[in-house]
Amino acid sequence: GAGVSQSPSNKVTEKGKDVELRCDPISGHTALYWYRQSLGQGLEFLIYFQGNSAPDKSGLPSDRFSAERTGGSVSTLTIQRTQQEDSAVYLCASSLLDRNYGYTFGSGTRLTVV
Amino acid sequence: AQSVTQLDSQVPVFEEAPVELRCNYSSSVSVYLFWYVQYPNQGLQLLLKYLSGSTLVKGINGFEAEFNKSQTSFHLRKPSVHISDTAEYFCAVSELTGGGNKLTFGTGTQLKVEL
Repeated sequence: GAGVSQSPSNKVTEKGKDVELRCDPISGHTALYWYRQSLGQGLEFLIYFQGNSAPDKSGLPSDRFSAERTGGSVSTLTIQRTQQEDSAVYLCASSLLDRNYGYTFGSGTRLTVV
Repeated sequence: AQSVTQLDSQVPVFEEAPVELRCNYSSSVSVYLFWYVQYPNQGLQLLLKYLSGSTLVKGINGFEAEFNKSQTSFHLRKPSVHISDTAEYFCAVSELTGGGNKLTFGTGTQLKVEL
């Protein structure tokens, strides 16, 4: 596609429910990143996928968070047993080459846990 | 570990006035530096980047930034702002060695351009 596509754009869920957030990167981009943007706290790195290498999961805040990337393309971020502190905008980005050329970001998924 | 500091959380400025958004970074190795802009309800868009070479880099929408290694700074400037520049601006750093392949972002600066 022309850009990075994320769905849904907005998600309201009840505390304790599981949610899945989807990211479709730009075709041919080998690197894919998930970030979390909370009010007043900037962007927090969550996880990074590069080709067939093992993902860098060092930013995942707890074991309730997981992500996978199927076929080197679409990625799904799953949050189990959601908590109110999980409320944030979840941003996905992809890049053709690591670091050098910057990322292309999607518009994000705004998650609200009530 | 790398880190980025954006000291100004908000910068109000009148239209057609110049503006500077400050960014300082901390890293023990060489870095790549980036500025991103986020308009309301949108994702982040790359404004400009410093990889190597000339320390003055020019980006989209008339913005430029200067890399200062001795001061570990990468301040963003525009000589004359427009209402449409109202947005949040993020500085980011990526280390060339180690540190994985992820960008570390500052907390952002909200630029508000007023008439």
